[in-house]
Amino acid sequence: RKEVEQDPGPFNVPEGATVAFNCTYSNSASQSFFWYRQDCRKEPKLLMSVYSSGNEDGRFTAQLNRASQYISLLIRDSKLSDSATYLCVVNYRDDKIIFGKGTRLHILP
Amino acid sequence: NAGVTQTPKFRVLKTGQSMTLLCAQDMNHEYMYWYRQDPGMGLRLIHYSVGEGTTAKGEVPDGYNVSRLKKQNFLLGLESAAPSQTSVYFCASSYIGYEPQHFGDGTRLSIL
Repeated sequence: RKEVEQDPGPFNVPEGATVAFNCTYSNSASQSFFWYRQDCRKEPKLLMSVYSSGNEDGRFTAQLNRASQYISLLIRDSKLSDSATYLCVVNYRDDKIIFGKGTRLHILP
Repeated sequence: NAGVTQTPKFRVLKTGQSMTLLCAQDMNHEYMYWYRQDPGMGLRLIHYSVGEGTTAKGEVPDGYNVSRLKKQNFLLGLESAAPSQTSVYFCASSYIGYEPQHFGDGTRLSIL
């Protein structure tokens, strides 16, 4: 099993729809989790941290399921500007940070 | 507040040439990282540093060297560039390893 695995997509979703994607990780000792957004030919930018209790930031909701070892990202009322690649990041040591390869999202007008 | 600044933004080298990429951060972060990103490969960690004067190897360190003489700067060196090192290089920093990383806007490097 890969350390961090994401469905590469692309997910083609009509504007206004809800979309969700998961990221699985293999190391049960993982400590911290994040979702980043990366636009084409740009640097990754932090979207949100992921906590065991789940967290929400506007239209975005992130969840952590430690028992099944995955994190999820839900985007509600999707906008054209949400089109990007979404990277999940898992830390299981303070110097062991694993980036997923990303899930591409295309929001269709 | 500049955040993480990378120089240069673009560079074309010939095989065998050497160069140094500079990363500077003004957030007083302890940890700094160098990644490369290639199509279909995702971000791969080259080297990292957990504080001034320290460096450590990441996933793909061969062909690269680094130095962290000052807390705010992290240099990535290519001693003898090879076409396989054509990539986009990102620098990042964080307070500690478990905190989110802040990225520079990248250096696009082509080796001919």
